[in-house]
Amino acid sequence: GQQVMQIPQYQHVQEGEDFTTYCNSSTTLSNIQWYKQRPGGHPVFLIQLVKSGEVKKQKRLTFQFGEAKKNSSLHITATQTTDVGTYFCAGPRRGETSGSRLTFGEGTQLTVNP
Amino acid sequence: DTAVSQTPKYLVTQMGNDKSIKCEQNLGHDTMYWYKQDSKKFLKIMFSYNNKELIINETVPNRFSPKSPDKAHLNLHINSLELGDSAVYFCASSHYRTSGGFDTQYFGPGTRLTVL
Repeated sequence: GQQVMQIPQYQHVQEGEDFTTYCNSSTTLSNIQWYKQRPGGHPVFLIQLVKSGEVKKQKRLTFQFGEAKKNSSLHITATQTTDVGTYFCAGPRRGETSGSRLTFGEGTQLTVNP
Repeated sequence: DTAVSQTPKYLVTQMGNDKSIKCEQNLGHDTMYWYKQDSKKFLKIMFSYNNKELIINETVPNRFSPKSPDKAHLNLHINSLELGDSAVYFCASSHYRTSGGFDTQYFGPGTRLTVL
């Protein structure tokens, strides 16, 4: 079954509002990756988190990995129309710590009203 | 230069036909993938090849047959196309890590398949 669950499925915000998407797993993840897919485009890697409690920032994007390594979040401050797209988290299969088999969350589709 | 390329970008065909999608990567990666993305954006892995060997084969109908002639290429052949096969198919590539986590996956532009 699905390893990582992602919420919400859809999010509509006004430009300038903040946005957060959450990724949850029932088991401990060795690491988690985040991808962004623009409308009509393909998924593009954003970041990978490995350490418990890790927080990483990319300009207005803040990524967190939970202390128990079972959840992660992506927070965008003051959204812009360029942030529109679907954000995916991706984690390894149960028990795997390396290799290539990632399971993608269902994605959160973000729309930003100008 | 395009890192991961796919052809064709669009494919419209009739039910029952057989079609192929080609993928090439010039990143020097040893692992390649096929993903299917449905209308709800759900991204599901179908196959993965490492050094031309099949390492992941999810529950996919036998009508789908991947072929990897070399590490840089992974093609997908679909027999007897059905309406439910309509989706966007993404090829991706990465390095395979034997330890220390997972490498970044690089996706191709996608092939939008429409079965009429």
